[in-house]
Amino acid sequence: DTEVTQTPKHLVMGMTNKKSLKCEQHMGHRAMYWYKQKAKKPPELMFVYSYEKLSINESVPSRFSPECPNSSLLNLHLHALQPEDSALYLCASSLYGQGLETQYFGPGTRLLVL
Amino acid sequence: AQKVTQAQTEISVVEKEDVTLDCVYETRDTTYYLFWYKQPPSGELVFLIRRNSFDEQNEISGRYSWNFQKSTSSFNFTITASQVVDSAVYFCALTPKNTPLVFGKGTRLSVIA
Repeated sequence: DTEVTQTPKHLVMGMTNKKSLKCEQHMGHRAMYWYKQKAKKPPELMFVYSYEKLSINESVPSRFSPECPNSSLLNLHLHALQPEDSALYLCASSLYGQGLETQYFGPGTRLLVL
Repeated sequence: AQKVTQAQTEISVVEKEDVTLDCVYETRDTTYYLFWYKQPPSGELVFLIRRNSFDEQNEISGRYSWNFQKSTSSFNFTITASQVVDSAVYFCALTPKNTPLVFGKGTRLSVIA
C-alpha cells in the first residue's frame, strides 16, 4: 500500500490564525518530507525528517514549524502566515531519507492565506 | 551540482497521438536515480517510474515507455495513443546519494478529445 494521507484537503486562514497540517503514512518508511508548491512551479523542499529527527531545513521561515511525533506522522504548524504562503503543501515519505529512494506523495493541502 | 531540464513547458496533442516528453539531467555522481511523476489537476504527485544509473534498459508499461540514455544524459517519456486522462503536469526528477529530489520545471500536457 503506497499511500500517504494528508488533512485537511483545503484550508483558509487569516494572517493571525494558528493551524496545523497533518500527514500520515503506513508504509514503514522512516523519512518524511514537506514540500511547498506554487502554481506552475515544481515542488520546493521545506523539511526532511529521518528517523523522527529533523535532517534538512531549507531555510524555511519560523512561521512554519514542523513536528514528527513518530515515524508515521508528520505535522506542519502554521502561525502568522503571509498571503504569499498560499500554496499547495505536499507531504512525502521514503524508506530512509538518504537519497537514492522513491518518494511517495500525498494528495496535498491547498492553503489560502487571507 | 544537480540539475534537471524539461525544455517543453507545455504540449498540446489530439487524442490518440503519440507524445514524447523530454528530460535532460546533469550530475557528477555516478550513482543516481531518475524518476517521472505525474501531477493531475487534483494535485497529488503520482510516482510513475524509477531508473537507476546502471540500468539503461528501456521500459514499457502499457501505453507508457521510457528511454534512458546515459550518453546524452536524457530520460525521455513517451505516451502512445494519448488519452484525455493523460492530461497533467509531468515532472522528471533526479536523486543522487544523500541528496533530496531535484525536480525539473515540469511539462504540462494537454490531450484534446
